Amino acid sequence: QKEVEQNSGPLSVPEGAIASLNCTYSDRVSQSFFWYRQYSGKSPELIMSIYSNGDKEDGRFTAQLNKASQYVSLLIRDSQPSDSATYLCAARVMDSNYQLIWGAGTKLIIKP
Amino acid sequence: DAGVIQSPRHEVTEMGQEVTLRCKPISGHDYLFWYRQTMMRGLELLIYFNNNVPIDDSGMPEDRFSAKMPNASFSTLKIQPSEPRDSAVYFCASSNRTGLNEKLFFGSGTQLSVL
Repeated sequence: QKEVEQNSGPLSVPEGAIASLNCTYSDRVSQSFFWYRQYSGKSPELIMSIYSNGDKEDGRFTAQLNKASQYVSLLIRDSQPSDSATYLCAARVMDSNYQLIWGAGTKLIIKP
Repeated sequence: DAGVIQSPRHEVTEMGQEVTLRCKPISGHDYLFWYRQTMMRGLELLIYFNNNVPIDDSGMPEDRFSAKMPNASFSTLKIQPSEPRDSAVYFCASSNRTGLNEKLFFGSGTQLSVL
């Protein structure tokens, strides 16, 4: 099992709907979690971080962390075509100050 | 702030040639990371520096790869000799802290093609 797993997609969502992106992780990575967005041909940029169980909201984005089930999700409300990108889930390795393990990314397509 | 600056944006070279990638981190950031991204392997950490000192190079694929950070505002990643399997996008990223909420700032990347 990979340490951080994501469905590669593509995930196709109609404009205005909620896009739900999921990430599961292993025991070795469980301190804090990050969602980065990467447009085609561009570099990753941080959208949200989360390290406590529950939900964290920032505008149209909500990150959800469930440590018991070992998954983290990103919800995008009122999806826009500009949200079309690859979303990378990253998790910090236990007992490490720096090491991040990255998922392969989920490609999201918002259809007008 | 100009962000993390990488050069060149694109590099095409022939197998066996030396390749040098350059990075200028954001001023004041004391952590610098070199990543490689491919379709097959995703984003991989190659090496990272703290205050110009290499801390962990366990991700460097082999001795053909080397990285230096002579000062706080400049780092290089060198491949010698280059091979076709080194073709990838190489990102440099910087951060001003580590910890639970660390945010990495990525450069635009260098698209390397080794023929």
